[in-house]
Formats: sequence, structure tokens, C-alpha cells
Amino acid sequence: NAGVTQTPKFQVLKTGQSMTLQCAQDMNHEYMSWYRQDPGMGLRLIHYSVGAGITDQGEVPNGYNVSRSTTEDFPLRLLSAAPSQTSVYFCASTPGGLGNEQFFGPGTRLTVL
Amino acid sequence: AQKITQTQPGMFVQEKEAVTLDCTYDTSDPSYGLFWYKQPSSGEMIFLIYQGSYDQQNATEGRYSLNFQKARKSANLVISASQLGDSAMYFCAMREVDLGTGSYQLTFGKGTKLSVIP
Repeated sequence: NAGVTQTPKFQVLKTGQSMTLQCAQDMNHEYMSWYRQDPGMGLRLIHYSVGAGITDQGEVPNGYNVSRSTTEDFPLRLLSAAPSQTSVYFCASTPGGLGNEQFFGPGTRLTVL
Repeated sequence: AQKITQTQPGMFVQEKEAVTLDCTYDTSDPSYGLFWYKQPSSGEMIFLIYQGSYDQQNATEGRYSLNFQKARKSANLVISASQLGDSAMYFCAMREVDLGTGSYQLTFGKGTKLSVIP
């Protein structure tokens, strides 16, 4: 199993550009999430999905869109990049249940100039 | 109010010594889970240990143990016999069940940076 994969690993954007961060998992997990990590802030939830076709907002959803057309894929779209979106983005998945580990992808480091 | 509080931005420990990383949490749910993750300088998130709110015993995983004090709402991570490879960021996280959405999301603290001194 590849686990949770993310592409790209690094990305530089100009203000106003749009892009999609890709996330895929091969563990058949129902639950998937996107987090952003900023220095001194820990990980904050952007959007999450409880299954194909179902998404919802997390703590910091503004400026981001998601969709979940399949169990495996959960892309994150930046609609019009802003310097405040410079961050490290993590995708994660879990089978659900209180005690199950949340598996993280390797992260995408995004810089918006 | 923060759901997860880690009051130590940075900690130092001598190699081979034990160290405790503090974590307090806030929830009114009777059923919840507490996790610790390690993030080395390479950036990946590594799961260390889990404690359920109904677990009677403190969780242990090798050199990691979780000092769970439910009445105080604390879930401190204890690392015994520290090694140089333990130098990393450590995050405490809590999972509650959202009965409305059926989601199992984690809420993270801001982390503690542990440095192990040779």
C-alpha cells in the first residue's frame, strides 16, 4: 500500500493564481481531511469528507474548495492564491472510529508570492 | 477556548533521561480519544500513541507512555530514555465524534519542540 500520497511536494504560485493540490489514499478509508500547518499554530482543519460525495468545512475553509467524487481522491483547490495561504498542507485519512490512527500524507509546501 | 493546550513551546532533555510533554484538553463529550504525533525535521507526521476516554489503564507503546488524568483533563506524553532521534515537534490531538456530521476529525495543539542534548 502507498498509504496517503500528495502531489506536488513543493509549489510556488503568484498571487491570484489557482491550483489544485492532489491527495489520494489506497486504504479504502471513508474519512479524509485537509490541514494546513503554519509556524506556532499546529495543524488546522480546512475541509473534510466523511465519504464520497460528502464534504464539509473545517476551522479555516476560506479560499479553498474540495470535492470527493471517489473514495480514493480528495483534491484541494485554491481559487485565487494569496500570500496568507503560504503554508504546508497535509492530507489525511482514517477508517473512522474514535481510536483509529489518522494517516497523513507527506505534505505539500506552498509558497504564494 | 482552545480545545488542546500545549504550554511548552520548547523543551530540552539530556540524552537517556526521561521527559514529560504536557497536554491539557477541553471537551464536554464523555467519549473522546487523545493522540500524540511526532513531526521530525523531515516533516512527516508519525503516530505515537492513543488513549481512549474510557480506557482504565494508561497507554504505553515502547518508550512512550501517556499519563492520562481524566479529572484534570490532561494527557501528558512521557518519553523514557531519550534518544537523539527523539528531537522533533510533538503534537497532542483530540478526536471527538460529531454526531451531526458523523465525522471523526482531530483537533491539534500548537506543539512542543523537543531537543535532546547529547
